[in-house]
Amino acid sequence: EDQVTQSPEALRLQEGESSSLNCSYTVSGLRGLFWYRQDPGKGPEFLFTLYSAGEEKEKERLKATLTKKESFLHITAPKPEDSATYLCAVQAGYRGSTLGRLYFGRGTQLTVWP
Amino acid sequence: DVKVTQSSRYLVKRTGEKVFLECVQDMDHENMFWYRQDPGLGLRLIYFSYDVKMKEKGDIPEGYSVSREKKERFSLILESASTNQTSMYLCASSPRGRRQPQHFGDGTRLSIL
Repeated sequence: EDQVTQSPEALRLQEGESSSLNCSYTVSGLRGLFWYRQDPGKGPEFLFTLYSAGEEKEKERLKATLTKKESFLHITAPKPEDSATYLCAVQAGYRGSTLGRLYFGRGTQLTVWP
Repeated sequence: DVKVTQSSRYLVKRTGEKVFLECVQDMDHENMFWYRQDPGLGLRLIYFSYDVKMKEKGDIPEGYSVSREKKERFSLILESASTNQTSMYLCASSPRGRRQPQHFGDGTRLSIL
């Protein structure tokens, strides 16, 4: 059973066309929600951590928000260089050795065309 | 900045070979992880380690083993490579404790012929 679901799977935007990516989760006792960016042939690059409902984080054209059931990654006036796969991951409230483990969604592949 | 280095970007091996993938991190992180990434399946956790000589199975450990003899180094071993292990392999590390992000290497694209 998937604990982290991302939608849409793929998104095509024209440069300047703002939109949002969704990440919904069903883990118990959320410790943190993480957003990553992954370029083709590279490892995921860490973007944000969100800890509690209502929290927001911003970086350039990206803003991440968190509710009790989902997170959104808002992209304002995107540029072609924002094209990448965006991954969401959650850390659940388990104890002991599994504490550091993340559960990843399958990602949203974003393409921004000029 | 955290640096996670994987020994090879591309690797081609034959079925039945024993394959070693190496990962080194330079930030004194306690936790280290091995994932594989396949189109449509996302990142799947193979093994992880939260301390030297400690290891725990992830979601898909079959056909793999790991070794962590030093804190900075985490090795993934394919005991007898098979074609269904052709994939992108990603290593990550994180500090101990809650709410710590994992930092990834750039991956090893492994092809088993």
